[in-house]
Amino acid sequence: AQKITQTQPGMFVQEKEAVTLDCTYDTSDPSYGLFWYKQPSSGEMIFLIYQGSYDQQNATEGRYSLNFQKARKSANLVISASQLGDSAMYFCAMREVMDSSYKLIFGSGTRLLVRP
Amino acid sequence: NAGVTQTPKFQVLKTGQSMTLQCAQDMNHEYMSWYRQDPGMGLRLIHYSVGAGITDQGEVPNGYNVSRSTTEDFPLRLLSAAPSQTSVYFCASSYGIRDREVFFGSGTQLSVL
Repeated sequence: AQKITQTQPGMFVQEKEAVTLDCTYDTSDPSYGLFWYKQPSSGEMIFLIYQGSYDQQNATEGRYSLNFQKARKSANLVISASQLGDSAMYFCAMREVMDSSYKLIFGSGTRLLVRP
Repeated sequence: NAGVTQTPKFQVLKTGQSMTLQCAQDMNHEYMSWYRQDPGMGLRLIHYSVGAGITDQGEVPNGYNVSRSTTEDFPLRLLSAAPSQTSVYFCASSYGIRDREVFFGSGTQLSVL
């Protein structure tokens, strides 16, 4: 069974510092995709970053980068220079492809609080 | 572009009532899906569609019905609401099954009393 694990239910970070949110996954498929979403208190799911299993380089999107360690099956999100607006829930998700469809399997999330 | 639009944003139902959650996208995406989010959990797949006229069940389909008559719309129907269906519902879409981005609507918070 495919599975996503986020072991940090909550984290604090000081404004302007970097923070790493952990995500490990379990799959036997050679082709998969990993996503990170941000869910602020307003409730919407905001796409942050994507990493494909065959991508040669770690994904980066502005202040977000994904530390992809394929052998360890980890896909940690790194947020550099944290801002107060980064306070939110963060979800890691893996795409499981099934024939002509897919589903996203989500972790239980990490609540990040940025301190001023 | 409006992206993925969900309505309503909030809804309160009584047990046994029926309702339809609306989802529309204007990006010509073939793949659309519905998820529910319960407290302290990530999202779980309810139903999905790979194109107009084609739907299938996800991991938690019981109590929900879907149809896809057009590429743009993918409504989710609750035929007889139960308190266990109190949740936040998200609609998502993507052009293909291996897209690098999956777009989500803003969510519908549903309470069943």
